[in-house]
Amino acid sequence: DAKTTQPNSMESNEEEPVHLPCNHSTISGTDYIHWYRQLPSQGPEYVIHGLTSNVNNRMASLAIAEDRKSSTLILHRATLRDAAVYYCILRDVDSGGSNYKLTFGKGTLLTVNP
Amino acid sequence: NAGVTQTPKFQVLKTGQSMTLQCAQDMNHEYMSWYRQDPGMGLRLIHYSVGAGITDQGEVPNGYNVSRSTTEDFPLRLLSAAPSQTSVYFCASSYYPWVETQYFGPGTRLLVL
Repeated sequence: DAKTTQPNSMESNEEEPVHLPCNHSTISGTDYIHWYRQLPSQGPEYVIHGLTSNVNNRMASLAIAEDRKSSTLILHRATLRDAAVYYCILRDVDSGGSNYKLTFGKGTLLTVNP
Repeated sequence: NAGVTQTPKFQVLKTGQSMTLQCAQDMNHEYMSWYRQDPGMGLRLIHYSVGAGITDQGEVPNGYNVSRSTTEDFPLRLLSAAPSQTSVYFCASSYYPWVETQYFGPGTRLLVL
């Protein structure tokens, strides 16, 4: 299974942009890059996903390196409610092609300072 | 839509007891799964199902059973609880197994004494 590497923690100030990095040097050509976040005492929440091109939605932007060996989740203006653990996840598809597993690592704990 | 619901929110068991964690979704999702989360660790997949009547093992299936008789429900059974099963359990669902956004429930916190 392709693995991801994220910093254990990051800190940001409110209203400033945040760039959360993720390395996935063994990514395969058909692996999608997903980002989820988990607020304290809640279940994980989908943030964004992409394959090759940069992606934007109302929550964040995803910048994917040209070689796809790394990606960056961008929160354009961090708020206190963005304080969470952010997980960078590659989609695992087994040889059958019909199953799907989200493999969570330890993620990055984002602290947002007022 | 209620989304993904889980009951109970919190449960205390004694070693050797059995119980069922309930998970239901009202989004007509085919794919459902169970994860456990231990302190300082990410989520680990226990079992998953790609449709009614179809289940498969995830990363840490030992000590747990699942069945999927309907699209809506995916209960997780602990056959004989052990302290090592103390954890927070999350259920998730999506339309299809691949690519699609997964929706997670609020979790069940289980303490096994």
